[in-house]
Amino acid sequence: NAGVTQTPKFRVLKTGQSMTLLCAQDMNHEYMYWYRQDPGMGLRLIHYSVGEGTTAKGEVPDGYNVSRLKKQNFLLGLESAAPSQTSVYFCATWTVDNEQFFGPGTRLTVL
Amino acid sequence: GENVEQHPSTLSVQEGDSAVIKCTYSDSASNYFPWYKQELGKRPQLIIDIRSNVGEKKDQRIAVTLNKTAKHFSLHITETQPEDSAVYFCASGDDYKLSFGAGTTVTVRA
Repeated sequence: NAGVTQTPKFRVLKTGQSMTLLCAQDMNHEYMYWYRQDPGMGLRLIHYSVGEGTTAKGEVPDGYNVSRLKKQNFLLGLESAAPSQTSVYFCATWTVDNEQFFGPGTRLTVL
Repeated sequence: GENVEQHPSTLSVQEGDSAVIKCTYSDSASNYFPWYKQELGKRPQLIIDIRSNVGEKKDQRIAVTLNKTAKHFSLHITETQPEDSAVYFCASGDDYKLSFGAGTTVTVRA
């Protein structure tokens, strides 16, 4: 039981490049989330999903896209990376105990 | 949307003393108020939470209080220890969506 995993752990991109972050969970949770964490700004919700095939915008969705084709996976895409997207990205699920459970994070640097 | 303000942004305490972190929220419909602890390079982890039908909750050295009328809630850590040094985040929201405060960096001095 791996819980919530994120791939990759670290990545460096050049401005304009694209990439996809993968979040995988083996706990059969319906709700999944993508947050970004920046110094002094806490955790801000990018997009979330309340079930397979559904997605919704969060607080800071611009520049990101998501897909939830399978219940266990939630993908976050950056089509054209910008330096402002340098951040630590956390995936999370909502557990049956009504708690937000976070993955280990992905540190992304955009040069 | 929900706006959560957290104070102070940094807090330094002597080992054995108490630490208090305060948060205010704006959405009166919020009914869930968790606190997370994040050690350097790690994921945020839930340490305690409270729901709007409860005014206070305690778990060993940590406690949370909630004042719905004033829309604020607080985290209290008693008898602080070096391992309490971390960043603490408050959050508020409903049953599946949260808004987070900016975080408080707590340093416990030996």
